[in-house]
Amino acid sequence: KAGVTQTPRYLIKTRGQQVTLSCSPISGHRSVSWYQQTPGQGLQFLFEYFSETQRNKGNFPGRFSGRQFSNSRSEMNVSTLELGDSALYLCASSRTDSVEQFFGPGTRLTVL
Amino acid sequence: EDQVTQSPEALRLQEGESSSLNCSYTVSGLRGLFWYRQDPGKGPEFLFTLYSAGEEKEKERLKATLTKKESFLHITAPKPEDSATYLCAVHPTFGSGTKLNVKP
Repeated sequence: KAGVTQTPRYLIKTRGQQVTLSCSPISGHRSVSWYQQTPGQGLQFLFEYFSETQRNKGNFPGRFSGRQFSNSRSEMNVSTLELGDSALYLCASSRTDSVEQFFGPGTRLTVL
Repeated sequence: EDQVTQSPEALRLQEGESSSLNCSYTVSGLRGLFWYRQDPGKGPEFLFTLYSAGEEKEKERLKATLTKKESFLHITAPKPEDSATYLCAVHPTFGSGTKLNVKP
């Protein structure tokens, strides 16, 4: 059974640019959550999608957005990048809520 | 607002030296307490889910327990390969983790 895949694995951008990250969940999983991980803040919840609907959202500015497609694949977008957006962005899939999440390897974003 | 607090931040053990990691939580309604293991450069890997006080789960040298206010991850006779960061979560809120280092 294939795991959660994330692309790209590494990304370098400059301030002011925008970026799109992609996540393919485990087959059959309809819930996809996104997290930002930094050494100082740990794992911070961005948002969760279930059956193409955003079901929950963390405390991040509107520059962070996401969407989910009918095949459960998900993308997140960050516009007007800031230096503080440098982080590991993790995607996790699950069958539904209240159950374990399976994480991808993450996308390492560096903003210069 | 849900809160999850883990202690200690870091723990150094000798191989074979058993210990426990703590996770205290404050939530409006518990729908599962989750433990994950994260190795450097990788995404977290699911270990256990606990749903009600008194519940216990075991896997190899790890045992997770749950009370109404906290959860413990007990590590019995750890080996160097158990070195990792252990994360506790009440979705979608994660604790800051305990970085475990087991020396041979």
